[in-house]
Amino acid sequence: ETGVTQTPRHLVMGMTNKKSLKCEQHLGHNAMYWYKQSAKKPLELMFVYNFKEQTENNSVPSRFSPECPNSSHLFLHLHTLQPEDSALYLCASSQGQQNYDGYTFGSGTRLTVV
Amino acid sequence: TQLLEQSPQFLSIQEGENLTVYCNSSSVFSSLQWYRQEPGEGPVLLVTVVTGGEVKKLKRLTFQFGDARKDSSLHITAAQPGDTGLYLCAGYGAGSYQLTFGKGTKLSVIP
Repeated sequence: ETGVTQTPRHLVMGMTNKKSLKCEQHLGHNAMYWYKQSAKKPLELMFVYNFKEQTENNSVPSRFSPECPNSSHLFLHLHTLQPEDSALYLCASSQGQQNYDGYTFGSGTRLTVV
Repeated sequence: TQLLEQSPQFLSIQEGENLTVYCNSSSVFSSLQWYRQEPGEGPVLLVTVVTGGEVKKLKRLTFQFGDARKDSSLHITAAQPGDTGLYLCAGYGAGSYQLTFGKGTKLSVIP
């Protein structure tokens, strides 16, 4: 039990579909993150929420749309994705944005766009 | 952009051998973290190093932060199959709230 739960674990979607990834944490953390992990690339930070407010958007295409209704839940809404968007999408949380206790990651959603 | 270069990219060793993996940058980091990621799972924090020259031990794992806080190493003694995984280093640049990750070292320990 990592404390950060992501669903679904696996997702296959067509380029015209709309789907959502869900992340939930029960650690009392106030910062939540979406990362993209592709082969042969470092983890790429996509979005940061601190106390439910978006503080970072690292030039992510608009086909990815985050939502943070409260400090415990984070969503990533997907629409009209491209095959190159296939990757492992990881959610993480932390107590504060610069934290020596590190990030707690979920197990990720393995996304395949066909 | 503050980059972290990890080497080697891949490492395959026999059980019982020792190994060292490296994390290097041309930039100064206020702290560095090491994570291990197993297949199908998210990264799990192993350690944070903060002070230049700092050495931390976690059972058979020894972590060192360079004196200039630009590099770090992870040494594993008597590797076991359970050590298999992707080892990631990550750091906060000076004045930055963004955690920058390296590409990782993929370690395979063969029984």
